[in-house]
Amino acid sequence: QSALAQPASVSGSPGQSVIISCTGTSSDIGTFNYVSWYQQHPGKAPKLIIFDVRNRPSGVSSRLSGSKSGNTASLTISGLQAEDEADYYCSSYTNLNTHVFGTGTKVTVL
Amino acid sequence: QVQLQESGPGLVKPSQTLSLTCTVSGASISTPGYYWSWIRQPPGRGLEYIGYIYYTGSTNVNPSLKSRVTMSVDTSKSQFSLNMSSVTAADTAVYYCGRDVWDSWNFDLWGRGALVTVSS
Repeated sequence: QSALAQPASVSGSPGQSVIISCTGTSSDIGTFNYVSWYQQHPGKAPKLIIFDVRNRPSGVSSRLSGSKSGNTASLTISGLQAEDEADYYCSSYTNLNTHVFGTGTKVTVL
Repeated sequence: QVQLQESGPGLVKPSQTLSLTCTVSGASISTPGYYWSWIRQPPGRGLEYIGYIYYTGSTNVNPSLKSRVTMSVDTSKSQFSLNMSSVTAADTAVYYCGRDVWDSWNFDLWGRGALVTVSS
């Protein structure tokens, strides 16, 4: 099972929006609506920010939103803030009854 | 609130077995609907799913690691464990335990992580 493909890095100025793509296959993202996103600050454990493609856990900013089309999922960060600077990982359930993570994207706030 | 905490040796010799335990506090490990999982992250790299164990003892392991990984659960101690045999330097990573939510398949809780270095 290959890792889901994400851009290595994206950047934006404060207040702007950035979109992180996550491309899989028909064995994972294309078939299941079990896509989740995680935010990881340096030296910290990942934190769930989106589940089931587009749902936010309680306490997660509404500036974060998720979507999916075909084999590709996306995370949009609107109104970029300094605290959004972190690594972001997508994940999907697969037809092998397992999980696969994305390669990770570093978000830089200029 | 529910917390997870990894524990175990931080240094393991090549070809030996890596053993880690995750202690769950603030909730019962026997609560239906949660799978207790292991995820790892080599230094400077991305996340890799290792597998999960249910409180009944049933397991699911990443096919790429299946030949070397076993997991167990001790509900009386609210702990679950990971054993990985025949380790090499490539197994050096931060190992996280996490809670996987059934029918949503996301990791809603994570431990702080434990760095395990494989070196002689």
